[in-house]
This record gives sequence, C-alpha cells and structure tokens, in this order.
Amino acid sequence: SQQGEEDPQALSIQEGENATMNCSYKTSINNLQWYRQNSGRGLVHLILIRSNEREKHSGRLRVTLDTSKKSSSLLITASRAADTASYFCATDASGGSYIPTFGRGTSLIVHP
Amino acid sequence: DADVTQTPRNRITKTGKRIMLECSQTKGHDRMYWYRQDPGLGLRLIYYSFDVKDINKGEISDGYSVSRQAQAKFSLSLESAIPNQTALYFCATSGDFESSYNEQFFGPGTRLTVL
Repeated sequence: SQQGEEDPQALSIQEGENATMNCSYKTSINNLQWYRQNSGRGLVHLILIRSNEREKHSGRLRVTLDTSKKSSSLLITASRAADTASYFCATDASGGSYIPTFGRGTSLIVHP
Repeated sequence: DADVTQTPRNRITKTGKRIMLECSQTKGHDRMYWYRQDPGLGLRLIYYSFDVKDINKGEISDGYSVSRQAQAKFSLSLESAIPNQTALYFCATSGDFESSYNEQFFGPGTRLTVL
C-alpha cells in the first residue's frame, strides 16, 4: 500500500509558470524523496529532505516538509517543456527497514 | 555505460511460460530491489536484497521469485506467467542507509506483456 499520495494526479501548465505538487503521508518518516520519471523510463532521484529539515532547494526545485501535517510539496519554478514528466514522492517510514515507499505520482505537462 | 542495466528491455510471452528478468549494476551497492509499475498504481515493491545472502519479500511477491547471484546481479523470475503480470518492471539499487539515506538508482525498465 502507498504511504505517500501525490496531489494533483495531473497538472497542465504553460512554459514559464510554476508547478506545485503535493505529497501527503500517513506515518512518521525518516526522510522524504522526490523522483522524476520521463515516459516509460526509470525514475531519477531529484531531492531528499530529512525529517528534521523544513525546506530544501536544488536549482529550480524547492521542496518543503511539514511533519506536523505529514505533507511535502515540490515546487518547480519557471517550468520548461522538458520538465514534462511524472513526479513521485517516496517516504521512508520511521522504524522501518529504510525502504522508500512510492506514491502514485503526479503527471505534469508543460506546454511550450 | 549505464550504472543499472536490465535485460531484456521488452518481452512478450504466453501464459504459463517461465520468464527471467535480469539486472546488473556497476555502482557497487549492496542493496537491490525489484518493482513493478502499473498505470495509476505507482511502483510496488516485489522483492529486495540487502546483500548477497539476504532476500526479502516485498508488498507483492506472490508469483515471483528472485536470485541474488552476486553483489552486482539480481534476477527476477515469473514461475508461470499470467496476464495480470503484464507491467513495467524496474530494478533499483541503493547504498547503505548511513551514506546515502537510501537514494535509489533505477534501471531503464523491462516492459513485459503476458498474452
């Protein structure tokens, strides 16, 4: 069963706009990761945020984590057509075996 | 060369056939995983291995078996394929928790169709 659930399931925006995706989870976590998947390809790690961190940046990516609400958001600023992909959050439950559990993903389409 | 490779990339087979999917990695990681991906369901863990002598069932292991032949090789077998095993299969690796906080590195996937 999925620990993390992304919202929205699908997002369509114009190039240059910001894209925000959210992830909610159910139990306490060690860390939360975001991955990207281009159509039919393997997932690629984007960023990891630890449970004691609140915000992290990597290039045009900004991730926030609110452990009190059990939620995270991924913001992609100034989106490009090449950002078109599916984005997954993966949570690593506290006290577990440190195996990430993936959500169902958000499908992002960026129109040129 | 890719760090995590999977063979074959595509396979069409018939119900009842035994199928093996292979995964090799050059990252030197001890931890390896097999996932399947179905539309709308995300990734689900089939089996994982933390080292050569360690094999563990994941969320959906029924109908599958694995073999960890070496640190670099982890194979997934479908003993008797059935149509609902049609899916995209991914192998992944990760380093130990302390060094990498479990960032996973994925292979390109194997698209399996069972007729």
